[in-house]
Amino acid sequence: EDQVTQSPEALRLQEGESSSLNCSYTVSGLRGLFWYRQDPGKGPEFLFTLYSAGEEKEKERLKATLTKKESFLHITAPKPEDSATYLCAVLYNFNKFYFGSGTKLNVKP
Amino acid sequence: ETGVTQSPTHLIKTRGQQVTLRCSSQSGHNTVSWYQQALGQGPQFIFQYYREEENGRGNFPPRFSGLQFPNYSSELNVNALELDDSALYLCASSRQESGNTIYFGEGSWLTVV
Repeated sequence: EDQVTQSPEALRLQEGESSSLNCSYTVSGLRGLFWYRQDPGKGPEFLFTLYSAGEEKEKERLKATLTKKESFLHITAPKPEDSATYLCAVLYNFNKFYFGSGTKLNVKP
Repeated sequence: ETGVTQSPTHLIKTRGQQVTLRCSSQSGHNTVSWYQQALGQGPQFIFQYYREEENGRGNFPPRFSGLQFPNYSSELNVNALELDDSALYLCASSRQESGNTIYFGEGSWLTVV
């Protein structure tokens, strides 16, 4: 069965302490991998799209990478405002996104 | 701000009732998808509409139905509400011809009691 698994479920970091979030997938026929940020009570906010293994995208303190079976979201020197749930989604069959359950990031000052 | 607007933002319904949720897509977008997000979970794909027709469906029963209008806005209808239907319902829009990235609205919180 096609699956998207994110780890860890929750992550606590001190401000400035870099780390990585993982998204592994077993979806066949991947047509794109997407990262979103979701604040409590809000809709997910688009961050990155990755299409092929080896691709990397960066935005401020965030960097997303993709291999054949997983993606990483690297957070460099995080700030408290980076606290949110980060969702990974894979696009399957042109129109169906499978989402993971997310990693809840808490950055303490 | 994505330009995707949803209404209502919150509502409470009784088991067995019916509900209609509404979504206006971002300007220039012609495709609308609906997702259900339970507390602590990722969004689950309900269905997608393109050119006013259903263009894909997830594992949801027929009592979940939808519409897309000529102006690309959309409705999600849920009949015979069950307690487990309590969730955040998210609408996302995209432009079919410009890649696959979907942009979400802020969602409608549905509580079924």
